[in-house]
Amino acid sequence: GAGVSQSPSNKVTEKGKDVELRCDPISGHTALYWYRQSLGQGLEFLIYFQGNSAPDKSGLPSDRFSAERTGGSVSTLTIQRTQQEDSAVYLCASSLSMPGSGNTIYFGEGSWLTVV
Amino acid sequence: AQSVTQLGSHVSVSEGALVLLRCNYSSSVPPYLFWYVQYPNQGLQLLLKYTTGATLVKGINGFEAEFKKSETSFHLTKPSAHMSDAAEYFCAVSSGGYQKVTFGTGTKLQVIP
Repeated sequence: GAGVSQSPSNKVTEKGKDVELRCDPISGHTALYWYRQSLGQGLEFLIYFQGNSAPDKSGLPSDRFSAERTGGSVSTLTIQRTQQEDSAVYLCASSLSMPGSGNTIYFGEGSWLTVV
Repeated sequence: AQSVTQLGSHVSVSEGALVLLRCNYSSSVPPYLFWYVQYPNQGLQLLLKYTTGATLVKGINGFEAEFKKSETSFHLTKPSAHMSDAAEYFCAVSSGGYQKVTFGTGTKLQVIP
C-alpha cells in the first residue's frame, strides 16, 4: 500500500483478554518498529525487526507482550492478559533497510487500545 | 550507544513569535538526525533530517534545524509561529547501519493567539 497500515484503529477490550494488533508496512521496507504512546507520554520503543535478523525485543515491558513478523512483511503485536495500564496508542513504523543510514521512518496512524 | 535529549516537554509561544525546540544528542559516530511532528490524533511524520553535507537543514512548513557538532545539538526553529504548528515534536538520532533509530521524549508546542 501507499503507507503503513494498522488495524484495528480502535480496540476496547476487557481486562484479562488477549489482543492482537496488526501492522502492514510499506512494500519493500525491511525495517519495522513498534512503539507505544500512553496519554501524555512520549514514544516508548517496544520492538524492532530488521530483515531476517533476530528482532530487538529490548523494549517489551513484560512477557505478556510479544510480536512476530511473517514473511518479512506483516507484523502482529500480541498482548496477553491485558491490564488497564496497557491502554495506549500502539504505533507501527517501517523504513527501507539500514534505518541507521538516514532512511526516513514512516509511521502508521496507530491502534488505540483501551482496556476496561 | 546513542541517545537524544529534548529540553522542555512543553513550550508555549505567541503566534508570530520565534519557535525554538531544543535537542541534544549523544553518538559515538557521526549521527543522522531527524525531527518528526505529530499532530493531534495522527501518526508521526518527518519534518526534516540531517544526513551529510550542509549543516543547516530546511524542512516542511518553514521549519529548519542546524547540526552543530561542537555542541552536539540539532535545535529546531521557525521564525514565526502559526496556530497550525501546535503539535508534538520529536527529535531522533541514528548512528548508522542497521542500528535502530532512537527518539526523544517529545516537546509539545502550544501556540497562543
